[in-house]
Amino acid sequence: EVHLVQAGGGLVQPGGSLRLSCAVSGFSSNHYWMHWVRLTPGKGLEWVANINQDGSEKYYVDSVEGRFTISRDIAKNSLFLQMDSLRAEDTGVFYCARGRAGFSRQLDIWGQGTLVSVSS
Amino acid sequence: DIQMTQSPSSVSASVGVRLSITCQASRDIDNWLAWYHQTPGKAPKLLIFAASNLQHGVPSRFSGSGSGTHFTLTISGLQTEDSGTYFCQQAHSFPLTFGGGTTVEI
Repeated sequence: EVHLVQAGGGLVQPGGSLRLSCAVSGFSSNHYWMHWVRLTPGKGLEWVANINQDGSEKYYVDSVEGRFTISRDIAKNSLFLQMDSLRAEDTGVFYCARGRAGFSRQLDIWGQGTLVSVSS
Repeated sequence: DIQMTQSPSSVSASVGVRLSITCQASRDIDNWLAWYHQTPGKAPKLLIFAASNLQHGVPSRFSGSGSGTHFTLTISGLQTEDSGTYFCQQAHSFPLTFGGGTTVEI
């Protein structure tokens, strides 16, 4: 069965850092584009970043460009999001998700979500 | 960025009725549109991809239509488990963007 199991998240002060992880089971993540999406009180669902199959292409929403880094470990079949210089407006539930085969920007499998709270 | 506008923002409906939700894109996105359903505390679930294609395992009462800038999600025969929030998402250009959501109360 296909699963994305997330870890990381928590409470951090403004300016701090967190690293989210997403462990993939039931398929090889290196065959798919993978994404991070967040649900925030202010903006609803917001796409954050994605990465292609071999990690050579990465895209980010402007608001996190230069602060967040998406990466993947093919050997561990895992996806990561390194979040630096965190701001209060980054607070929300973060989801990893798989891009559907053939329609890589439409997301067919999602992790359970992890809460990130940025507050002093 | 492409703006996605959903309507209505919320609706209350009875079991068995036919319900339609619309999504308008700020520019032509061809058929690069997905629909998701989310309930509180759960991850979104893909219902429709490429505007009109039913995702595996999704009940056939869900259907999608439209292209260009105007899209519709229709639920034919609303069920209690269909309550929650529905989001459209454009998959045409980066950054990928979502509509503001439509909350359905049964």
